[in-house]
Amino acid sequence: KQEVTQIPAALSVPEGENLVLNCSFTDSAIYNLQWFRQDPGKGLTSLLLIQSSQREQTSGRLNASLDKSSGRSTLYIAASQPGDSATYLCAALGGNKLVFGAGTILRVKS
Amino acid sequence: EAGVAQSPRYKIIEKRQSVAFWCNPISGHATLYWYQQILGQGPKLLIQFQNNGVVDDSQLPKDRFSAERLKGVDSTLKIQPAKLEDSAVYLCASSPWPVGGNTEAFFGQGTRLTVV
Repeated sequence: KQEVTQIPAALSVPEGENLVLNCSFTDSAIYNLQWFRQDPGKGLTSLLLIQSSQREQTSGRLNASLDKSSGRSTLYIAASQPGDSATYLCAALGGNKLVFGAGTILRVKS
Repeated sequence: EAGVAQSPRYKIIEKRQSVAFWCNPISGHATLYWYQQILGQGPKLLIQFQNNGVVDDSQLPKDRFSAERLKGVDSTLKIQPAKLEDSAVYLCASSPWPVGGNTEAFFGQGTRLTVV
């Protein structure tokens, strides 16, 4: 059974700082690893998707990496802004199931 | 392209009442998911459809929850009777997968259910 863990559970940083969010998964037989953003009271917005054959994906200030052998993915946010404040969720697709972690609550202080 | 549509956005009901949620996925997406997200937790899969067939409903409380996907397109999730612990956000998502190899999942805005 796939289990996804995200560390830290919450993070508070000053504006402009670079930061890393961590995601680990127990079953390395995955099709992809997807990162989402969730604003309070809203649904999930897809940020980046890394296919199992890829090592990383980039979109603007975001960079996500995937290491299947160690069961880890990281989301790197460069030059953080107050507008980046949200909950960040990772999800692993494998064995027909999309399994989520509990998320990291990010607060960027101005 | 239009996103995943869900309705209603909010619902408040008393315990033991029934409620239904509706989802219209992105056109052409074969896979449809219903997730339950309790405050402070990650989404938990309730049921997954591929076209109009159920792929996984192992975490669906079948004594009170039911779901169907009409003609492999729209889907409804029903709770009857509701309990206090059903208070959560219900998220619908769709994905082209496994057709064509595109595995990206897209989510609707969710329905926030409060049971009082």
